[in-house]
Amino acid sequence: KQEVTQIPAALSVPEGENLVLNCSFTDSAIYNLQWFRQDPGKGLTSLLLIQSSQREQTSGRLNASLDKSSGRSTLYIAASQPGDSATYLCAPDSWGKLQFGAGTQVVVTP
Amino acid sequence: KAGVTQTPRYLIKTRGQQVTLSCSPISGHRSVSWYQQTPGQGLQFLFEYFSETQRNKGNFPGRFSGRQFSNSRSEMNVSTLELGDSALYLCASSPDRNTEAFFGQGTRLTVV
Repeated sequence: KQEVTQIPAALSVPEGENLVLNCSFTDSAIYNLQWFRQDPGKGLTSLLLIQSSQREQTSGRLNASLDKSSGRSTLYIAASQPGDSATYLCAPDSWGKLQFGAGTQVVVTP
Repeated sequence: KAGVTQTPRYLIKTRGQQVTLSCSPISGHRSVSWYQQTPGQGLQFLFEYFSETQRNKGNFPGRFSGRQFSNSRSEMNVSTLELGDSALYLCASSPDRNTEAFFGQGTRLTVV
């Protein structure tokens, strides 16, 4: 059974700092891994998808790395802004089933 | 391109009743998955449908069921509602299995 852990559980930073969010998973037999953000009471917004054969994926200020063999992924957010405040979730995909961690709650203060 | 549409957005039901939630995927997407989100358990997988067939099922009681229609729209049904079924139910669509998933805004179900 896939277990997903996200560290830290919460993070508060001043605007402009870089964010580093960690995700670890126990079963390396995954097809891909997705990072999402969730605003309170809302659905999930897809940020990045990394295929299992990739090591890294970038989109604007976001960069995600994947080390499938060690069961780790890291999301980097450069030059954080107050609008980045949200809960960030990682989800490895095994056979069409996304397994979610509990998320990292991020607050970026102006 | 329209996103994933879930209806209704909010629902209040009484214990013992049944409820049906609807999900319209992004045009062209054939895979639809359902998830339950609660403060205590987080996000948990319910089931996945592709071309009207259930391909995968999570660890939920038989009171939770779903189906997918020929136009890829999906419904999930919960019978004999319990207080613990109160949750945000999220639907995700993707072109196929193992491709990027896009989520709807969810249906907030409250059981009283």
